[in-house]
Amino acid sequence: QVQLVQSAAEVKKPGASVKVSCTTSGYTFTNDAIAWVRQAPGQGLEWLGWISAGNGNSVSAQRLRGRLTMTTDTSRSTAYMELRNLRSDDTAVYYCARWVVSAKYFDFWGQGTLVTVSS
Amino acid sequence: QSVLTQPPSVSGAPGQRVTISCTGGSSNIGTGYDVHWYQQLPGSAPKLLIYGNTNRPSGVPDRFSGSKSGASASLAITGLLAEDEADYYCQSYDSRLNAWVFGGGTKVTVL
Repeated sequence: QVQLVQSAAEVKKPGASVKVSCTTSGYTFTNDAIAWVRQAPGQGLEWLGWISAGNGNSVSAQRLRGRLTMTTDTSRSTAYMELRNLRSDDTAVYYCARWVVSAKYFDFWGQGTLVTVSS
Repeated sequence: QSVLTQPPSVSGAPGQRVTISCTGGSSNIGTGYDVHWYQQLPGSAPKLLIYGNTNRPSGVPDRFSGSKSGASASLAITGLLAEDEADYYCQSYDSRLNAWVFGGGTKVTVL
């Protein structure tokens, strides 16, 4: 069965960077893409971007360009999301999800990683 | 403020039918982009409920159904169960924002 397992919660200071991992299993990693979505406390879902695990092409939300980097390690079937220059409003649960590129939806999700930005 | 508008909450008694609307515009649903729906149980990650406007993934009960008309879409839950208490989100693409977008979410309460 398809599984996405994310790294543990992080606490960071403003201005720092965070890198969240998403290790997949149960399917051929390079056949699909991984997307990142976040949810601030008590708020809705926000799409951040997606990266093709096959060729590394990526698309990210305009408001995060310059701060967000998505990468993959095909040898580990793992995707990574790095967010730099953290601000307090980046505090959220960050989810990875398998992105069905052809039909534009997220079919399997990781359990989420809480990133807290606090001085 | 999302470009896809959902009611903040809906409620119903066990066994009843509830519907959740997702209203967009000419740069998203109205242009023909598909709508997908997710269920988020308390403290859990979202789960795909409906894809491509009307399709249910394997394992999703047929009590859940989706529809789309014009610039709006709807999710219907029939035979409401206590386990259906959750937040529900619609999702589509917006060509003006050049981004994939979610509705603000609807909390379903089973009375």
